[in-house]
Amino acid sequence: GNSVTQMEGPVTLSEEAFLTINCTYTATGYPSLFWYVQYPGEGLQLLLKATKADDKGSNKGFEATYRKETTSFHLEKGSVQVSDSAVYFCALSPFQGGSEKLVFGKGMKLTVNP
Amino acid sequence: NAGVMQNPRHLVRRRGQEARLRCSPMKGHSHVYWYRQLPEEGLKFMVYLQKENIIDESGMPKERFSAEFPKEGPSILRIQQVVRGDSAAYFCASSPGTDYGYTFGSGTRLTVV
Repeated sequence: GNSVTQMEGPVTLSEEAFLTINCTYTATGYPSLFWYVQYPGEGLQLLLKATKADDKGSNKGFEATYRKETTSFHLEKGSVQVSDSAVYFCALSPFQGGSEKLVFGKGMKLTVNP
Repeated sequence: NAGVMQNPRHLVRRRGQEARLRCSPMKGHSHVYWYRQLPEEGLKFMVYLQKENIIDESGMPKERFSAEFPKEGPSILRIQQVVRGDSAAYFCASSPGTDYGYTFGSGTRLTVV
């Protein structure tokens, strides 16, 4: 079946620190991969996505590369800000290019201190 | 263009009561998805609907839960005879088609007392 395993937190970093959140997946076929962010009290927002192997998604200084050989989609940011404090979810869709029926990881709570 | 609107934001129900959660998709979006987020867990898919049709309900509990998306009006997720284990955040998302990303609403946080 399809599943997503991601680093579980919570994680606390200082402002300007480097961030990596690991995400690996199991899927049949050629899934699309996503990172979503959830700010306190809000719904999920799409942060970035990649629909095929070796694609790199990027947005707001975050980036992740779709690695088929390691079945991974790790999220990175070179210098975090206080405003990046949120819960980050890795997700996959079994359908290449599509987004039906997303499968989510458990999420990782990030706190960035000034 | 308003986003996905969910109401109420917070809902408290006593055990045995019914809960009705509403979701108005973005304008032009005919696909609606419902997800449930239990405490400390990721989101779990419940059901996928298009106007007047249930496309995939493989994530819906077999009893007490139902969903609809009528020709006119919002999508409704209905939970009958709620139990404490139904306490969770319920998120709705919409899209214009299957090859597009979702837009999520802010969720309804259901508490069963």
